[in-house]
Amino acid sequence: AQTVTQSQPEMSVQEAETVTLSCTYDTSENNYYLFWYKQPPSRQMILVIRQEAYKQQNATENRFSVNFQKAAKSFSLKISDSQLGDTAMYFCAFMKTQGGSEKLVFGKGTKLTVNP
Amino acid sequence: GAGVSQTPSNKVTEKGKYVELRCDPISGHTALYWYRQSLGQGPEFLIYFQGTGAADDSGLPNDRFFAVRPEGSVSTLKIQRTERGDSAVYLCASSKGLAADTQYFGPGTRLTVL
Repeated sequence: AQTVTQSQPEMSVQEAETVTLSCTYDTSENNYYLFWYKQPPSRQMILVIRQEAYKQQNATENRFSVNFQKAAKSFSLKISDSQLGDTAMYFCAFMKTQGGSEKLVFGKGTKLTVNP
Repeated sequence: GAGVSQTPSNKVTEKGKYVELRCDPISGHTALYWYRQSLGQGPEFLIYFQGTGAADDSGLPNDRFFAVRPEGSVSTLKIQRTERGDSAVYLCASSKGLAADTQYFGPGTRLTVL
C-alpha cells in the first residue's frame, strides 16, 4: 500500500517570501502521479499542481513549483512571493496509474499561514 | 452547475440514525469519488464510481456504508446505524474519467453524530 508523509504539521511565512512544504511517499510502483491540493477554511480542495512520475522536469504553475526527486521519493512544493490568500491547509497526494482505481492517497497536511 | 455541489453542507444526527449525503458532480464527468476527512487528517478514500458502477469500494469501512449512482450522475452516500466515530467531513469529487484525470472536489458535508 502507498503512504504519504508530510512531516511539517504547521508552517508560517512572511508575505512576499518563499516557503517550501515537504512531502515523502512510499510505493513500489514505477508509474504514478503526485499532486498538491490546497484546502482553505471553506473546505473545498483545490488542485495546486500535479506531476507525472515519468517526467523528469519539475512541474511549475505560476508561483508554485515542485522539486520531484523520484529516487528519494520526495515531492516538495515551493511557493514563491507568498500571498495572504495562500493561507490554507496543503495536502500532498499520490495516485498510481495501474490497477483500475483512480483513488488519491493523501498525507495529513501542512497548515500554512502567510503573515502580513 | 459550475462545480461539484454537496448537500447538506452540515448534518447533525443522533447515534443509531440513518443518513444520506448527496453529491452532484460537474456535468459530463463520468467518474465520481467519495472521501472522508476526520479532524486533523487528510481525506481518506471511500469509493469510486465510473458511470453507474462502483469500480472500487475498497475504502468503505464496513457494511453500514453504502453508495449509489443509479443514473451515472448524482450519487448518494448512505450510512446506517450511525456511530459517533462516523463524525467527519465527507468530500465528493468528480473527473472526466480519463486516466489520472484531475479530481475536482465539492465543499463537503460535515456530519456530526451525537
